[in-house]
Amino acid sequence: DAMVIQNPRYQVTQFGKPVTLSCSQTLNHNVMYWYQQKSSQAPKLLFHYYDKDFNNEADTPDNFQSRRPNTSFCFLDIRSPGLGDAAMYLCATSRDLGRNQPQHFGDGTRLSIL
Amino acid sequence: RKEVEQDPGPFNVPEGATVAFNCTYSNSASQSFFWYRQDCRKEPKLLMSVYSSGNEDGRFTAQLNRASQYISLLIRDSKLSDSATYLCAVNGNTGNQFYFGTGTSLTVIP
Repeated sequence: DAMVIQNPRYQVTQFGKPVTLSCSQTLNHNVMYWYQQKSSQAPKLLFHYYDKDFNNEADTPDNFQSRRPNTSFCFLDIRSPGLGDAAMYLCATSRDLGRNQPQHFGDGTRLSIL
Repeated sequence: RKEVEQDPGPFNVPEGATVAFNCTYSNSASQSFFWYRQDCRKEPKLLMSVYSSGNEDGRFTAQLNRASQYISLLIRDSKLSDSATYLCAVNGNTGNQFYFGTGTSLTVIP
């Protein structure tokens, strides 16, 4: 049974047209993360939520925003996608922060920009 | 300097071979270490955590060397199904940062 669910699996949008990616979890984990992964590169952390506390990575562009309306759901909003934003976007959860807290990933959303 | 570095490979090994990957990390205060497996165009899946004393799960053995700041993954008796990219992950000293390596590509050949 899928425990971290991302929708859609594939998303195509136009240059500059806002897009929202969705993630939900059934694990009741406190922490949810969004990563961007480009081909042959490491997943790059964009931000994470610890419960309702939002933590932005210093180098995450302002174009990327996130919302976590409740424990189960987290959204990634890209306000004005550029060609360089085409990538796989991965949502992950962990029970808590700190030591020995592995992350569990959803299937990812592959975003294409026309 | 990158937080986590891995040899990207590719490693091409015959079935049954033993293969080992290393991953170096820059933050000596890092506390937690993991190996993930990622198949082509799929999400990373947790393979195993890495404990200070080293740990084994079937054909897979993970070790941590704090003095030299690296972790290793050993795969014995390689199977065709082991073909994938193996990512190491390290968390930072606050536990809030989680850094992945770029991954090491493994292909097991019949």
